[in-house]
Amino acid sequence: DGGITQSPKYLFRKEGQNVTLSCEQNLNHDAMYWYRQDPGQGLRLIYYSQIVNDFQKGDIAEGYSVSREKKESFPLTVTSAQKNPTAFYLCATFPGAGGSYNEQFFGPGTRLTVL
Amino acid sequence: RKEVEQDPGPFNVPEGATVAFNCTYSNSASQSFFWYRQDCRKEPKLLMSVYSSGNEDGRFTAQLNRASQYISLLIRDSKLSDSATYLCVVNMDSSYKLIFGSGTRLLVRP
Repeated sequence: DGGITQSPKYLFRKEGQNVTLSCEQNLNHDAMYWYRQDPGQGLRLIYYSQIVNDFQKGDIAEGYSVSREKKESFPLTVTSAQKNPTAFYLCATFPGAGGSYNEQFFGPGTRLTVL
Repeated sequence: RKEVEQDPGPFNVPEGATVAFNCTYSNSASQSFFWYRQDCRKEPKLLMSVYSSGNEDGRFTAQLNRASQYISLLIRDSKLSDSATYLCVVNMDSSYKLIFGSGTRLLVRP
């Protein structure tokens, strides 16, 4: 059963804590992405990775960090430096070169709330 | 100016109506265009890609106007199940980076 899994589905964090959101895929896709979505707004790109051990900042990378040690995994850490982290976080994949250039696949998302 | 702009709506239409959404993009070198659908509190899912010649999938028609830098989505014979937010998505260059519009909300009423 191929797909993208994100965990946890809901996450609550106290101010000042770092938290890590998990994203795992078994689609064998090269590229992986992290987006943030706030109520009534579109998706904003945090980080993306086209290959293992390489990643680039998106439009709102400040206060976030990522790693891409394995093709299947692209965890996102929300650090205490992120001033307003409450949002819906979406992980996505893209087949990459040689694959279909038509669709970015999304995981079910993680809702992060800072208490 | 935003890279991708959409009318946020909401568009409130009766069942059976025809509704059209437009989306403008700022980068004339943009290469690929898509419409995604997002249901409330769910992840976005691809509705259709947009090709230069225009394309149709059942009740949905997408068109691209490169000269005016906009894409459109037409929904005919609206169903209650069409109620969702429709996201316009553009690939600006040869990278794998996609730019999302903020979405247009559609409400189809009985």
